[in-house]
Formats: sequence, structure tokens, C-alpha cells
Amino acid sequence: NAGVTQTPKFRVLKTGQSMTLLCAQDMNHEYMYWYRQDPGMGLRLIHYSVGEGTTAKGEVPDGYNVSRLKKQNFLLGLESAAPSQTSVYFCASSYPGQGTEGYTFGSGTRLTVV
Amino acid sequence: GENVEQHPSTLSVQEGDSAVIKCTYSDSASNYFPWYKQELGKGPQLIIDIRSNVGEKKDQRIAVTLNKTAKHFSLHITETQPEDSAVYFCAASTYQGAQKLVFGQGTRLTINP
Repeated sequence: NAGVTQTPKFRVLKTGQSMTLLCAQDMNHEYMYWYRQDPGMGLRLIHYSVGEGTTAKGEVPDGYNVSRLKKQNFLLGLESAAPSQTSVYFCASSYPGQGTEGYTFGSGTRLTVV
Repeated sequence: GENVEQHPSTLSVQEGDSAVIKCTYSDSASNYFPWYKQELGKGPQLIIDIRSNVGEKKDQRIAVTLNKTAKHFSLHITETQPEDSAVYFCAASTYQGAQKLVFGQGTRLTINP
């Protein structure tokens, strides 16, 4: 199994450009999440989804949009990139319910906005 | 909301010695506490977790302890090896329709040969 796959792995954007980060999982997980990782700040939740067709805001949602049209895919969009969105983005997935909470993370997308 | 503080931010130990990383959380309703290991260029990987109805859990050389009264939990690694060098993250969550983990700031552990 591939687990959680993120594309692209690296990207450089100019301020104001848009892009979409793709996350795909093959574990039939219901829940999917997008986190950003910044030095000294750990991982912070951007948006998450508890199932196909549903999305919800996390701790730092401003400037991002998401969609979950298919159960296995979770897309993160930046409509107008800003330098403050320079970060490493991680997608994760998990089963619902207690006893299965462990996340499986992708390998990340390193985004630089200049 | 939940807030998780993690200490120390960096830790250097001699190979074979023990390493301890500590986290505190703010929400007394949190009931799930995982630890993740992140190697360079990779995503975090779950190494051990504990639930609020358990005080300690062990898995070979790693163990996690939880003190609900004080709202802190710790990761213990014994007989450290060079491959233990990585960044470690603690996290806490309450199951409220979704398992939204709140992470600590991370600890960079270096094992010196």
C-alpha cells in the first residue's frame, strides 16, 4: 500500500499565484486532515474532513480552501498565495472512532512563496 | 481550545543513555495522547499512544506516562541508539466527531555515538 501520497513534493510560487495541493490515501480512511509545519510551532491544523463531501475549519484556515469530492482525495487550495504561507504542508488520514485515532501522514509538500 | 507545550526543544544524549521528553496540555477533556517521530524529509510517524484511562504504556525501548491530575505526559526512550535521532512531537485530542490533534512544538533529539 502507498498509504498517503502528496503531490507535488516541492513548489515555488510568486505572491498572488494560486495552486492546489493533492492528497490521496488508499487505506479507506474516513477522516483526512491538512496541517502546516513551521519551525518552532509544531503542526497546526488548517482544515479537515470527516467524510466525502464534508469539510471543516481547523486552527489556521484563513487563506486556504479545501474539497473532498472523493473519499480517497483531499485537496488544499491557495487562491492568492502570500509569503506567510511559506511552509511545509502535511496531509494525514485516520479511521473514525476511539481506538483507531492514529494518523497516517504523507511525506509533505514544501511550499515557498516569494 | 487545547494548548500543548513540549520541552525541551532540543535534547542531546549519549548513545545508550535514556531520553525523556515532556508535554503539558490545557484541556482536561483531552483523552488521547500520541507521540510521533519525524525523520528528516519525511512525515511524522506514530510511535506510541496512550489513552486517559491508562497511566503508562510500554513498547520495547519506548514508554509513555500520563498524569491526568497534573495534565502532563512524557515519552521515555531507553538504551538510545543513533537511529533514534529525529524530531519528536507530542499531541493531545478529544474525540468530538473528529480526532483533531493539537501538537506540541517538537523536540529535536540527537544521539551522540
